[in-house]
Amino acid sequence: AQKITQTQPGMFVQEKEAVTLDCTYDTSDQSYGLFWYKQPSSGEMIFLIYQGSYDEQNATEGRYSLNFQKARKSANLVISASQLGDSAMYFCAMRTGGSGAGSYQLTFGKGTKLSVIP
Amino acid sequence: EPEVTQTPSHQVTQMGQEVILRCVPISNHLYFYWYRQILGQKVEFLVSFYNNEISEKSEIFDDQFSVERPDGSNFTLKIRSTKLEDSAMYFCASTRLQGHSPLHFGNGTRLTVT
Repeated sequence: AQKITQTQPGMFVQEKEAVTLDCTYDTSDQSYGLFWYKQPSSGEMIFLIYQGSYDEQNATEGRYSLNFQKARKSANLVISASQLGDSAMYFCAMRTGGSGAGSYQLTFGKGTKLSVIP
Repeated sequence: EPEVTQTPSHQVTQMGQEVILRCVPISNHLYFYWYRQILGQKVEFLVSFYNNEISEKSEIFDDQFSVERPDGSNFTLKIRSTKLEDSAMYFCASTRLQGHSPLHFGNGTRLTVT
């Protein structure tokens, strides 16, 4: 069974500093995808970054980068130069395939609440 | 940028009542999903929908739940007889392709069953 573990329920970071949010995963699939989503207090889910299991380079999107260590089954999110608006819940998720043509389940971790301190 | 829209943003209903949650996915997307998030808990998969039929559903998605795409643009989740434990945030999501494409989520509908 697929599983995502986020061990940090809450994190604090000083504004303008970098922060790493941890994510480990467990799957027996060879092909999988890892995603990070941001959920502000308003509740919406915002896609941040994606890493495919066969991607050789770590994904980057602006201030977000994904530190992908396949052998360790970890996919940590690094946010550089934190801003006050980065305060939110962050969810790591893994794409798991099913048998149907339209199956595409995301398995989510429990999330990490990031608070950026001025 | 196109987005997934959900209505209403908040729905309050009495136990035993039927509710319909509505979603308009991004127009060129082919795959549609419902997820839910009970307050303070993680996001859980409910159902996926492709080519006008359910592709996958979780054990949460029992006979009280149904989905429809009645007119080619709307995608609805119906809960026939709501229970207190159905109180949650319900997210609609869509994607154009599978594989590397991210799911684009709507802003959610907060359902409160009293």
